[in-house]
Amino acid sequence: GQQVMQIPQYQHVQEGEDFTTYCNSSTTLSNIQWYKQRPGGHPVFLIQLVKSGEVKKQKRLTFQFGEAKKNSSLHITATQTTDVGTYFCAGPSADSWGKLQFGAGTQVVVTP
Amino acid sequence: DGGITQSPKYLFRKEGQNVTLSCEQNLNHDAMYWYRQDPGQGLRLIYYSQIVNDFQKGDIAEGYSVSREKKESFPLTVTSAQKNPTAFYLCVSSLGRWELFFGEGSRLTVL
Repeated sequence: GQQVMQIPQYQHVQEGEDFTTYCNSSTTLSNIQWYKQRPGGHPVFLIQLVKSGEVKKQKRLTFQFGEAKKNSSLHITATQTTDVGTYFCAGPSADSWGKLQFGAGTQVVVTP
Repeated sequence: DGGITQSPKYLFRKEGQNVTLSCEQNLNHDAMYWYRQDPGQGLRLIYYSQIVNDFQKGDIAEGYSVSREKKESFPLTVTSAQKNPTAFYLCVSSLGRWELFFGEGSRLTVL
């Protein structure tokens, strides 16, 4: 069945450094969404990418959707302690409209 | 303010008991979902509903049941048949294929 994989599973970053987390799907996606979950909280929608090769920016966060629409990345520049949390990508299930398949997430820890 | 309300926030259950988690939304969204999250893991879909009086099983429906009698409400019952029910349960709604709105979650612990 369809799988959405994220790497790395854990990311330790020093404050001020950049890092990238990757999301790969076993099937072509019509769109991909990214969510952030702070420790002890619930996931919150960050962004949706729809077009092949699309790049969107939100302040220090840059999201990219691959040309083949099977992968995506989230790049954070100048990491801050407020970036702590788990970042999930999610794509529509290939077998059913309305179902989203989530990756396992990248847990980000920031060291001051 | 529009949003999703889950209750209770924390729930303790003895083995063999059924429990029902409440989920209400006032966003006028058609689609509603229940996800389960285990520590350090991603989100797994239990059930989802795209319209009133209709719902489909997700990837881990065994031991759970739902109903969708009203657009605003999508309660989840964790039955005694669920072998490992201790988890964080998230109720979600969406307007079609767009962003998901999450409730604050219900943390169930089986004693």
